[in-house]
Amino acid sequence: NAGVTQTPKFRVLKTGQSMTLLCAQDMNHEYMYWYRQDPGMGLRLIHYSVGEGTTAKGEVPDGYNVSRLKKQNFLLGLESAAPSQTSVYFCASSKGGLGSNEQFFGPGTRLTVL
Amino acid sequence: AQKITQTQPGMFVQEKEAVTLDCTYDTSDPSYGLFWYKQPSSGEMIFLIYQGSYDQQNATEGRYSLNFQKARKSANLVISASQLGDSAMYFCAMSFFMDTGRRALTFGSGTRLQVQP
Repeated sequence: NAGVTQTPKFRVLKTGQSMTLLCAQDMNHEYMYWYRQDPGMGLRLIHYSVGEGTTAKGEVPDGYNVSRLKKQNFLLGLESAAPSQTSVYFCASSKGGLGSNEQFFGPGTRLTVL
Repeated sequence: AQKITQTQPGMFVQEKEAVTLDCTYDTSDPSYGLFWYKQPSSGEMIFLIYQGSYDQQNATEGRYSLNFQKARKSANLVISASQLGDSAMYFCAMSFFMDTGRRALTFGSGTRLQVQP
C-alpha cells in the first residue's frame, strides 16, 4: 500500500516551458487535491477533484490545469511556466469531503522555474 | 473569509517537557474542522489530530491533544513529553466551504518546533 505518490520529485524548468505533475493514490479515495507551498507559508489549494472526471478551482488556480481521467490519478499541468510558480507542490487525497476525513499527502514535488 | 493564524514562527522545548503551539482561526461557518499536521525536514505532511466544531471534548491522539476553546476561536496543539523526533514544522488548518459547496483546507503559516536534548 503505497498511499499517495508523486512524480517527479524534483524538476527545473525554463520560463515558458510546460510540464505535468502526476499524483497517484491506491486507497480508492474519491477526493484529490493539489496544493502549493511557498517559503514561510502554509499550503494553498490550487485545484481539487471530487471524483473521476470532475475538477474544480481552489484558492490559487491561475496558470494551472488539472485532469482526473482515472480515479486513482490526478494530473497537474503548467502550460507556460513562470518563475512565480517556483514552489513545492503537494498532492493529497481523502475518502470523502472534509469533515473528519483526513487528507493523506504525497511526498511533494520541488519545482524551480528559471 | 476564513483565516488561520499561527503567531509563533519558532519554538524551543527541552526534551521530555510539554509544549503548546498556538493556533487561532476566523470563520463565519458554524460547522468546521480543525486539523494539525507535522512536516519534518524530509518534507512530507503527517496528519496528527482533528477537532470538529461541534465536538464537546478536546481531541487527543497519544501524546498530542488539542486545546479547543471555541469562544476564543483557538485550537492550540499540546505535545506532551517532547521527543527529539518531534522537531519539525507544525501547521494548523481549518476546513471551510468553498463556493462550490465543497470543503477545502486553509493552512496557517506554521510553527517550527525544535526539541533540545
